[in-house]
Amino acid sequence: GAVVSQHPSRVICKSGTSVKIECRSLDFQATTMFWYRQFPKQSLMLMATSNEGSKATYEQGVEKDKFLINHASLTLSTLTVTSAHPEDSSFYICSATLSGERNQPQHFGDGTRLSIL
Amino acid sequence: AQKITQTQPGMFVQEKEAVTLDCTYDTSDPSYGLFWYKQPSSGEMIFLIYQGSYDQQNATEGRYSLNFQKARKSANLVISASQLGDSAMYFCAMREGNTGFQKLVFGTGTRLLVSP
Repeated sequence: GAVVSQHPSRVICKSGTSVKIECRSLDFQATTMFWYRQFPKQSLMLMATSNEGSKATYEQGVEKDKFLINHASLTLSTLTVTSAHPEDSSFYICSATLSGERNQPQHFGDGTRLSIL
Repeated sequence: AQKITQTQPGMFVQEKEAVTLDCTYDTSDPSYGLFWYKQPSSGEMIFLIYQGSYDQQNATEGRYSLNFQKARKSANLVISASQLGDSAMYFCAMREGNTGFQKLVFGTGTRLLVSP
């Protein structure tokens, strides 16, 4: 159980394109999902917390107009990188937890490698 | 200040040997949880083990055990009988507070290489 699916796994596109990444919890309902960004050889940095039915909470320094998050249902959150530029190239990965229990781990999707030419 | 510190950028171990990956943390919250994740070169994050701040015993999950030293604020991961497939990045992470929806803060990671 606790499977999180992320799609697409890899995107290569031209500068100026908007890219949508989907994160789905396949066998459980996720009230809250998280979006991370990881540069090569670096750690995961939380970008935003996605809450079903309400606005996402963005971390300091993350442009909310650049990275649009929509948590439309209990099983789907989307991250849209708007007008992407080469500096947005990175590994984006989402996660979700089964419940509000403190000991529940975040279950991660397989990530999306975004390359902007 | 760093909340999670992993001082070992890289570690080498021979197959079948045990290895310890270090993690220290900083928090003033009495309620927190510590997690270890494995990230292979393919990128996915695999949950390994969890330790709660109020847990009396060290967590164990198969070949993984967590050496929890609360007074020293350390939560080192011990991998016994290393296998070639254990070669990966390992991240220590902390969640503060009582609710599960609190964010995770990750360390910088340790790259483990297991040699034959």
